[in-house]
Amino acid sequence: EAQVTQNPRYLITVTGKKLTVTCSQNMNHEYMSWYRQDPGLGLRQIYYSMNVEVTDKGDVPEGYKVSRKEKRNFPLILESPSPNQTSLYFCASSLIYIDRGPSPLHFGNGTRLTVT
Amino acid sequence: GESVGLHLPTLSVQEGDNSIINCAYSNSASDYFIWYKQESGKGPQFIIDIRSNMDKRQGQRVTVLLNKTVKHLSLQIAATQPGDSAVYFCAENQHMEYGNKLVFGAGTILRVKS
Repeated sequence: EAQVTQNPRYLITVTGKKLTVTCSQNMNHEYMSWYRQDPGLGLRQIYYSMNVEVTDKGDVPEGYKVSRKEKRNFPLILESPSPNQTSLYFCASSLIYIDRGPSPLHFGNGTRLTVT
Repeated sequence: GESVGLHLPTLSVQEGDNSIINCAYSNSASDYFIWYKQESGKGPQFIIDIRSNMDKRQGQRVTVLLNKTVKHLSLQIAATQPGDSAVYFCAENQHMEYGNKLVFGAGTILRVKS
């Protein structure tokens, strides 16, 4: 089944304790992205990657890191989490068509992170 | 799960009626638009898309209409069912210096009454 898989689904941690949220897709998509979703603010892009070893900041990158060493994986790293990073996080992926324009993003089921 | 829909507009419809969800987009140069459905505890799920060279596209029970003159997008759901209850987001593809970027609307809650 074609899907984007995030782990864990739920995570409770304390301020300052480094954590990683994993994301993997099995659709051979070039493009991957992380979003956070907060009530009243909608989906905001954190980081994105156009392909292996190519990453760039989105709208709210502060406090986050990413890496893209393999095409299928795009982990989100919080080096020193703070309470304002408590949120619902989504990983997404899509194909990139040079000649046909953009294609729909496929989303994972989310990771609910609580930082106390 | 916790609601992501605080203070979002809500549309309540009777089961079997048609639903129309509206979205105003911001950039007249946007060339691609998508509707997503998000059920509680799940990620956004692709419903239908439309490119700017079209003004209407139909799927199974859904139709998207695009009015570029007034920068308006709508999603019509025929014979709405309880399983259609969710938050619906529109997204527009904007061209940036570095490539394309999907910008999401805040969402509309659809509640289907049986």
